[in-house]
Amino acid sequence: QKEVEQDPGPLSVPEGAIVSLNCTYSNSAFQYFMWYRQYSRKGPELLMYTYSSGNKEDGRFTAQVDKSSKYISLFIRDSQPSDSATYLCAMTTYSGGGADGLTFGKGTHLIIQP
Amino acid sequence: DGGITQSPKYLFRKEGQNVTLSCEQNLNHDAMYWYRQDPGQGLRLIYYSQIVNDFQKGDIAEGYSVSREKKESFPLTVTSAQKNPTAFYLCASSTAPPGALYGYTFGSGTRLTVV
Repeated sequence: QKEVEQDPGPLSVPEGAIVSLNCTYSNSAFQYFMWYRQYSRKGPELLMYTYSSGNKEDGRFTAQVDKSSKYISLFIRDSQPSDSATYLCAMTTYSGGGADGLTFGKGTHLIIQP
Repeated sequence: DGGITQSPKYLFRKEGQNVTLSCEQNLNHDAMYWYRQDPGQGLRLIYYSQIVNDFQKGDIAEGYSVSREKKESFPLTVTSAQKNPTAFYLCASSTAPPGALYGYTFGSGTRLTVV
């Protein structure tokens, strides 16, 4: 079993819809969770960062963490065509994951249809 | 502006050639990383370095080599021993662990193609 599971998609939704992206993980030592957005042929950029269980909101984006279920989500409200990208979840332990840092999901390819 | 610069953006390699991908950062980050990204494979760690003159192998280091002679530079050489080098290569940096808690900054990537 891989440490982080993420559905690769593609996930296609109409403009204006609420999008839900998810990751599950197996290592209960993971404490810090991040979401990266990657446009085609570009490097990933940090979108959201969370620590505690619960919700964190930033504009149209909400990150949700459920440590008891080992499940994290990213919600996008009022989705726009410019949100079309690959979204990668990433996580690490309290110590920073050891010397090699973050563990990434494989990414979900999201398409917002105009 | 602070950031990570990868060059070149596109690189073509002939069979049997070694090629070097450049990665420079002006963020004063201690740790630097190289990832390979293939369709459906996600990010796979090649090498990482936490400090100058020290680096460690990641999950797929075979056929690759790195150096870390300066804090701001972490070049990756793809050697002829790497049999399937065509991929998108990403360089990243972070403050030294536990700085990794706050995420990585990524470069814009180099697309390497074997011709």
